[in-house]
Amino acid sequence: AQRVTQPEKLLSVFKGAPVELKCNYSYSGSPELFWYVQYSRQRLQLLLRHISRESIKGFTADLNKGETSFHLKKPFAQEEDSAMYYCALSGLGGNKLVFGAGTILRVKS
Amino acid sequence: ETGVTQTPRHLVMGMTNKKSLKCEQHLGHNAMYWYKQSAKKPLELMFVYNFKEQTENNSVPSRFSPECPNSSHLFLHLHTLQPEDSALYLCASSQVAGGSYEQYFGPGTRLTVT
Repeated sequence: AQRVTQPEKLLSVFKGAPVELKCNYSYSGSPELFWYVQYSRQRLQLLLRHISRESIKGFTADLNKGETSFHLKKPFAQEEDSAMYYCALSGLGGNKLVFGAGTILRVKS
Repeated sequence: ETGVTQTPRHLVMGMTNKKSLKCEQHLGHNAMYWYKQSAKKPLELMFVYNFKEQTENNSVPSRFSPECPNSSHLFLHLHTLQPEDSALYLCASSQVAGGSYEQYFGPGTRLTVT
């Protein structure tokens, strides 16, 4: 069965501090992992996917198959990063997404 | 209107009512989705339509009935709902053609069952 675990409901950091949002997954095949973000009063949108291996808004995420993790990282948090972040998984080439419970990131000034 | 739109944005209905949620995408996508987002559970996929054909029903009760008349429109017909069905219902769309593509989400319909 596919499962995505985000162990933290809330992560609070100060502006300029490093951020790491944790995501672990369970999947027997080859996964594709995503991070989606929902800013206040905005709709859910894609932040990044592991296949693209890109940095978006300073965020990066590396798929670690050994640890079955896809943690989202940013070296220096900004106040505008405050949002709800969801980790999601699909089978490679598939379009059925399984979401984690989400983590609220609060960046304090 | 661009992107994915949903109507109504808010809906209050009794357990004996029949109502429908509407979703429209203006992105030229060929796949559409219904998700349920409730306070106590993660975002849950309900239905997937690829090229107007239903390819996924994630064990959703029959009181939820989807309809996809064309690749741009998706409906969710509701009847004899329960209070625990109160949630935010999100529609999404994407391309699908042998690869995983970004899903674009609508703003959601906030449903309250009384």
